[in-house]
Amino acid sequence: GAVVSQHPSRVICKSGTSVKIECRSLDFQATTMFWYRQFPKQSLMLMATSNEGSKATYEQGVEKDKFLINHASLTLSTLTVTSAHPEDSSFYICSAPGQGADSVGYTFGSGTRLTVV
Amino acid sequence: LAKTTQPISMDSYEGQEVNITCSHNNIATNDYITWYQQFPSQGPRFIIQGYKTKVTNEVASLFIPADRKSSTLSLPRVSLSDTAVYYCLVGPGRRALTFGSGTRLQVQP
Repeated sequence: GAVVSQHPSRVICKSGTSVKIECRSLDFQATTMFWYRQFPKQSLMLMATSNEGSKATYEQGVEKDKFLINHASLTLSTLTVTSAHPEDSSFYICSAPGQGADSVGYTFGSGTRLTVV
Repeated sequence: LAKTTQPISMDSYEGQEVNITCSHNNIATNDYITWYQQFPSQGPRFIIQGYKTKVTNEVASLFIPADRKSSTLSLPRVSLSDTAVYYCLVGPGRRALTFGSGTRLQVQP
């Protein structure tokens, strides 16, 4: 089935630095991808919709200048957390529409655990 | 968007059948019901989706009554590896994006 690869799986960065997270669709093209954030013991919160070749669409309350999304190709979307602060520490997950037998749902990446110190 | 309500947590034992019910009173005509499973520090995994009546696949069954205001995910003969959080999503078309609070299932030996 469709696989979404997310990298890195874990990252630790210092406050004030920027971190880039990559989300790749393997063996299929994804014109749209989605980014979620999940705090411990909480549910997933949709942050933004990444659109290939155009601007991302952000959910209400998500700062677009802080969470930069780029979808430069049909298989890659990136999320850059700029000027990270400890409160940005979270689990970030991307997803893409399922393919083939999974076309009724979404395929999710394995997530990126971001820790800002 | 239809709001979903699920029990916060459930406990079961290996070999038992587990039924997790989700309420979605405001479900729209074109909404589908989708369930995902999530293990700690992993992304969610699609389990099953349905529109009405009953859907069954190799891992679960989904029961949806005629009024579609609720749905029940049935996991037959659970094992320890089924310990996870289960999310019910309701949304337009076949692809819903909004996650509710989920149900934390703990399976005991």
